[in-house]
Amino acid sequence: SAVISQKPSRDICQRGTSLTIQCQVDSQVTMMFWYRQQPGQSLTLIATANQGSEATYESGFVIDKFPISRPNLTFSTLTVSNMSPEDSSIYLCSVEVGTTEAFFGQGTRLTVV
Amino acid sequence: GENVEQHPSTLSVQEGDSAVIKCTYSDSASNYFPWYKQELGKRPQLIIDIRSNVGEKKDQRIAVTLNKTAKHFSLHITETQPEDSAVYFCAASSSQAGTALIFGKGTTLSVSS
Repeated sequence: SAVISQKPSRDICQRGTSLTIQCQVDSQVTMMFWYRQQPGQSLTLIATANQGSEATYESGFVIDKFPISRPNLTFSTLTVSNMSPEDSSIYLCSVEVGTTEAFFGQGTRLTVV
Repeated sequence: GENVEQHPSTLSVQEGDSAVIKCTYSDSASNYFPWYKQELGKRPQLIIDIRSNVGEKKDQRIAVTLNKTAKHFSLHITETQPEDSAVYFCAASSSQAGTALIFGKGTTLSVSS
């Protein structure tokens, strides 16, 4: 298994500002994934982050809005840029351990006002 | 890309009854199918998974079945208890390293005593 620490756990932000979410894993992992979970909805994949290369974004998500860093095998950040109320969601990082089993961070509950 | 459909969206049962949640997937390359339970305000937790070389897997009161030909898989919970009340998500991915999970929309299970 993997222990994933994600912070902040929650934040309330003004529209137009940016928030950087951090995800720290207690072991080295090749791939890290960022998901968004809008209120009462399922998890939607934002991007896949591989250490040493640009993140791969899913349709509907762009690097300018959600820049991702992956400086080493245990850490990643997701920035939500130029926020609007529509960005209010829970953001979760995830890692795969072994063959595809995924573990999740506790999530960041973002409210944009 | 992969698309996962999940039904029903809500399910209410009496304590002791069985509950069945069904999912279909579109990508024949998918070969890993986990189920996650998410309690209110918490991260998704893996409860059971199945790979495409297996037709059924059981873990105490929980079982998952997979029909590769029809591209559908189901979660079965027997002898339901109030603590089974949560949102359940199915997901699918290729077991190739670095492939993210694609989630169904979720099923809200309510078990009344």
